[in-house]
Amino acid sequence: DGGITQSPKYLFRKEGQNVTLSCEQNLNHDAMYWYRQDPGQGLRLIYYSQIVNDFQKGDIAEGYSVSREKKESFPLTVTSAQKNPTAFYLCASSDPNTGELFFGEGSRLTVL
Amino acid sequence: AQSVTQLDSQVPVFEEAPVELRCNYSSSVSVYLFWYVQYPNQGLQLLLKYLSGSTLVKGINGFEAEFNKSQTSFHLRKPSVHISDTAEYFCAVTNRDDKIIFGKGTRLHILP
Repeated sequence: DGGITQSPKYLFRKEGQNVTLSCEQNLNHDAMYWYRQDPGQGLRLIYYSQIVNDFQKGDIAEGYSVSREKKESFPLTVTSAQKNPTAFYLCASSDPNTGELFFGEGSRLTVL
Repeated sequence: AQSVTQLDSQVPVFEEAPVELRCNYSSSVSVYLFWYVQYPNQGLQLLLKYLSGSTLVKGINGFEAEFNKSQTSFHLRKPSVHISDTAEYFCAVTNRDDKIIFGKGTRLHILP
């Protein structure tokens, strides 16, 4: 089945530690996205990549980093500089013809 | 610039009653419109989309939406809701050349 796979589903980390969230897609889409979701705040764009080896900051990029070395993969690192990292993180890719987004199941990060 | 407004943050409705979730958008060019549904601790799934053609769009789970260009609206409707429809619903817009923009979401509560 084609789709977006995020891992891990749940992640607990201590304050000050970097964590990396995995996102893999087999839809052959060029564009991929990372969103953060907090209760009552909808979806906020962290980073996006329109092609391999290129990415741009979204609305809330501070404290996060990404890489796009392969078309299939777009990992997100939550660094120790992110002041409030506890959140639900969603990865997506987009259909180039319509802009429709396809989402993974999400990763819930809790910083203790 | 594009924007999306979901007028209600929460909508309570009795089981088997009809429901309408409202969405208004602003854009200076032709748009593609989407409704997504999110169940607790899951990613977003596409309910339906308007790309062109008939302004009445039918989606999964008995939902439908009507594109109204003059009122710049894309309201989501279901004639009879079930307890399983309890979820958060997101309206989104894109003009294909720009990133997709999401509304802040409407939480649908089904009352027994």
